[in-house]
Amino acid sequence: ETGVTQTPRHLVMGMTNKKSLKCEQHLGHNAMYWYKQSAKKPLELMFVYSLEERVENNSVPSRFSPECPNSSHLFLHLHTLQPEDSALYLCASSQSGTSGEETQYFGPGTRLLVL
Amino acid sequence: GQNIDQPTEMTATEGAIVQINCTYQTSGFNGLFWYQQHAGEAPTFLSYNVLDGLEEKGRFSSFLSRSKGYSYLLLKELQMKDSASYLCAVRDSNYQLIWGAGTKLIIKP
Repeated sequence: ETGVTQTPRHLVMGMTNKKSLKCEQHLGHNAMYWYKQSAKKPLELMFVYSLEERVENNSVPSRFSPECPNSSHLFLHLHTLQPEDSALYLCASSQSGTSGEETQYFGPGTRLLVL
Repeated sequence: GQNIDQPTEMTATEGAIVQINCTYQTSGFNGLFWYQQHAGEAPTFLSYNVLDGLEEKGRFSSFLSRSKGYSYLLLKELQMKDSASYLCAVRDSNYQLIWGAGTKLIIKP
């Protein structure tokens, strides 16, 4: 247990569906992240929220929409996804703004399959 | 561009020692991380290096040479549970983490 939880753990959706991924951190951190992990590829940073402010990432398609209602919760809203969006979606949190490691702690991920 | 290179896969024997290398070319350097990720699980933090030299944590050690853009993770007394992927990541001048694709380590009895 890393103190970061994600639901659901597995999700199968059609290309016309709308779904949301949820992440919650119990570490008192002030930054949260969404990553995409595809097989044999580096982790791809999708979105960062620091002090509940979103850091823009223009390379992520608009069919992915993040929401951060407070410092402990992060959502990723999904709509009209493509089969190539099938991947493991990881949430992470860290305590930023202090000197030192600012280590990111990860949740177990949501395995997404788009049919 | 920014790049992290690590071997795709390595095999080692239970009880032995293995060294996983990581080389990087990034715009600036603000620390290097190693994570362990078992199949289907979250990456978990192993080590952090920001100064040159060796950091030891039990059976695991991590080394950094900033002038060479090089790090390695050393695993001693290998156990079957060490079978996992090992991810190298470098924090660049913008404090963004740049990730390698990971090294899958297979431990054989």
